Amino acid sequence: DAGVIQSPRHEVTEMGQEVTLRCKPISGHDYLFWYRQTMMRGLELLIYFNNNVPIDDSGMPEDRFSAKMPNASFSTLKIQPSEPRDSAVYFCASSLQGGTLYGYTFGSGTRLTVV
Amino acid sequence: SQKIEQNSEALNIQEGKTATLTCNYTNYSPAYLQWYRQDPGRGPVFLLLIRENEKEKRKERLKVTFDTTLKQSLFHITASQPADSATYLCALDPGTGGSYIPTFGRGTSLIVHP
Repeated sequence: DAGVIQSPRHEVTEMGQEVTLRCKPISGHDYLFWYRQTMMRGLELLIYFNNNVPIDDSGMPEDRFSAKMPNASFSTLKIQPSEPRDSAVYFCASSLQGGTLYGYTFGSGTRLTVV
Repeated sequence: SQKIEQNSEALNIQEGKTATLTCNYTNYSPAYLQWYRQDPGRGPVFLLLIRENEKEKRKERLKVTFDTTLKQSLFHITASQPADSATYLCALDPGTGGSYIPTFGRGTSLIVHP
């Protein structure tokens, strides 16, 4: 398996634009997570899905953020409109049974810069 | 409030020595704790998971201890190598409220000098 695949690796956008981040989890994993990492706040959970269903989105900072998982092999995180304070590295991770057996597998992340 | 503490200062050690990293927590009753390694520009990589009823777990040169009385986990790398240089994060589940999705500490940077 190629692991968790995220795209794009880098994204630079202007304030106010829509940004869409993409993730392909590991085949067979039933949980998918979106995290954001910054120097100030570390790694923060934004939202997670179980069997494609959103379970907890309490970490989503504002209504400008939305996430979908239309099928078991694809998820998106959308920011509309984007703001400079959204600049961070966004990670997608997947796991089997919530990570209580083998932990999480993370993608390489998307570095988002909003100017 | 719940808090996970990892030393924010980098740990510098000489090659061949044992590196010991600490993860302290307050106001948690975690059922398990995980350790991850993160290299610059990469996502965290899972290393080890230890459960509350396990005192110690080993994997090759890695050893993790979990003391629920002290509310502390120690992560050891024996015979350290420059290739072990990275940031190491601990993650523990909240232990209450039905959600077992772990929360991550900020990580400690390890630098192994040749």
